[in-house]
Amino acid sequence: KAGVTQTPRYLIKTRGQQVTLSCSPISGHRSVSWYQQTPGQGLQFLFEYFSETQRNKGNFPGRFSGRQFSNSRSEMNVSTLELGDSALYLCASSLDGLGYEQYFGPGTRLTVT
Amino acid sequence: AQSVTQLGSHVSVSEGALVLLRCNYSSSVPPYLFWYVQYPNQGLQLLLKYTTGATLVKGINGFEAEFKKSETSFHLTKPSAHMSDAAEYFCAVTHGTNAGKSTFGDGTTLTVKP
Repeated sequence: KAGVTQTPRYLIKTRGQQVTLSCSPISGHRSVSWYQQTPGQGLQFLFEYFSETQRNKGNFPGRFSGRQFSNSRSEMNVSTLELGDSALYLCASSLDGLGYEQYFGPGTRLTVT
Repeated sequence: AQSVTQLGSHVSVSEGALVLLRCNYSSSVPPYLFWYVQYPNQGLQLLLKYTTGATLVKGINGFEAEFKKSETSFHLTKPSAHMSDAAEYFCAVTHGTNAGKSTFGDGTTLTVKP
């Protein structure tokens, strides 16, 4: 089976712009979670989608949003980018998220200048 | 609420020595526990997991971990370190009713000296 794929792998944006990141889960996986990884804050949960519905949400401002499509692919969007949004954004998929292990993609490295 | 504490942000061992990475968790309900490894510029790879049943779990690459409820611990061990084990390791906790949301520790960077 193909693993979790994320596009793009690297991205450079300017403050105030918006960005959309994409994640394709492992075939058959219905749960997709997003995490932000930074040196200072570590790995922080953004949100989780299951069957096109947001099922869990972390403590991030409303500038961070996401969605999931009927084929389980997911996108996350960050509007009005700030310097502090520079991070590695990781997507993880699992069968249904109910205690099953998560399989991570390689991440998208976002740099905001 | 759930939380994870990894004791020691950096651990250094000699090749062939025992690897011990410590993880303590806090969870108000029975936890599911995981160890992941991350190599530079890559995502996280699952090493092993504990959900229910046997408290000693074996994972890939010779790693194992023991769930100790009384100590709220889930330490990761490997009898003999290899140079290729040098990476960052993350302990994570979740539970069945909090689907898809894992809480991670701050990570432990393992260095293996020749």
